[in-house]
Amino acid sequence: AQTVTQSQPEMSVQEAETVTLSCTYDTSESDYYLFWYKQPPSRQMILVIRQEAYKQQNATENRFSVNFQKAAKSFSLKISDSQLGDAAMYFCGISNFGNEKLTFGTGTRLTIIP
Amino acid sequence: GAVVSQHPSRVICKSGTSVKIECRSLDFQATTMFWYRQFPKKSLMLMATSNEGSKATYEQGVEKDKFLINHASLTLSTLTVTSAHPEDSSFYICSARGGDRVIYGYTFGSGTRLTVV
Repeated sequence: AQTVTQSQPEMSVQEAETVTLSCTYDTSESDYYLFWYKQPPSRQMILVIRQEAYKQQNATENRFSVNFQKAAKSFSLKISDSQLGDAAMYFCGISNFGNEKLTFGTGTRLTIIP
Repeated sequence: GAVVSQHPSRVICKSGTSVKIECRSLDFQATTMFWYRQFPKKSLMLMATSNEGSKATYEQGVEKDKFLINHASLTLSTLTVTSAHPEDSSFYICSARGGDRVIYGYTFGSGTRLTVV
């Protein structure tokens, strides 16, 4: 079984500032993938960033980066230089290597303050 | 990039009727697709895994006779909500893996808002 916990239902950040969204997970597998997805008001799920568990190097995609702590089962998302278009629900997800199911946490609603 | 098309985007049906939602992978073959349900301001709850050419695998608590899933080809999965009731009203989203998970992640359809009156 795999579970994901997002302990921050809502977060807000000033435009151009940096914000970190928390995510912890649990899985009995040693090989798995971690994802952050964004869901804007249109409700279209958009992939933000992904990480292979066997890679120690933290993934980075432009202004988005993760802090992956495998031992602590933590996978936080850092958004730098926040922009108004970053306002959305952010979901952390996990998919085990042998099982394709993608399980999400409860999400964090991010508000950008102009 | 991988594209998943979901249709219809909105549907209103009368209580007791059935409604079908289609999910198509447009530029790749998807042996496996996934169906999620999302309540307002809530997370995506995985309902079932749709396997091409075989029976779907349902998550615990999901009624397989109410939510019929058919994955008849490598590019099409359908979800039929049978004998719909107002409590089935929700936002339904499909997804598929468009290749290597690390490169492509999972691609999602744009969702279907079902309202049962």
